[in-house]
Amino acid sequence: DIVMTQSPESLAVSLGERATINCKSSQSVLYSSDNKNYLAWYQQKPGQPPKVLIDWASTRESGVPDRFSGSGSGTDFTLTISSLQAEDVAVYYCQQYYSVPFTFGPGTKVDIK
Amino acid sequence: EVQLVESGGGLAKPGGSLRLSCAASGFTFSDAWMNWVRQAPGKGLEWVGRIKSKSDGETVDYGAPVKGRFTISRDDSRSTLYLQMNTLKTEDTAVYYCITIFEIDGPCWGRGTLVTVSS
Repeated sequence: DIVMTQSPESLAVSLGERATINCKSSQSVLYSSDNKNYLAWYQQKPGQPPKVLIDWASTRESGVPDRFSGSGSGTDFTLTISSLQAEDVAVYYCQQYYSVPFTFGPGTKVDIK
Repeated sequence: EVQLVESGGGLAKPGGSLRLSCAASGFTFSDAWMNWVRQAPGKGLEWVGRIKSKSDGETVDYGAPVKGRFTISRDDSRSTLYLQMNTLKTEDTAVYYCITIFEIDGPCWGRGTLVTVSS
């Protein structure tokens, strides 16, 4: 199974400042035949289902503010919130969908400092 | 518009059974590989299992915690995914989501249905 780790576990950032979350997979999730990283980022607020922010490691979903961006390839990935807003307080997860069992990182809780 | 709508959740006793459904619309369901994912209260996300399309053999894979107790099936004529849960345990208490992953648009999730296993 591919193990997903995230760091930090939690972070508190001032409004308007940058938040960076890291995700690492135990093996590459880059599929050579299509050159795509099978990696998604989710935002989850209390009582709500996970919302897809980024798929294929760096493709922002329709309607997601452009302050959210994803980067990385292979085994190391980053979600960046360029200017944190109050509504961004949530738990963020990464997920690999390269192979089953699909696995998720443990989550990173983002708060306002 | 792509939609996945789960139903069938509720309260079940340990050792009991429950069947969840996921009604799909807005895409060609018969071509899709479908997954179940769950989230226990206050916990992270856990993949439950996946069923491939009929044209890909309708193969089913399960996560270790549910293998032998849960069965995933599909009815392409109704565009519906099922999760039959038997021999339920208290640790199966969770919100259950159905998800699919599109070649271009990536993952798509339903809103989930809550299963509570308690005596």
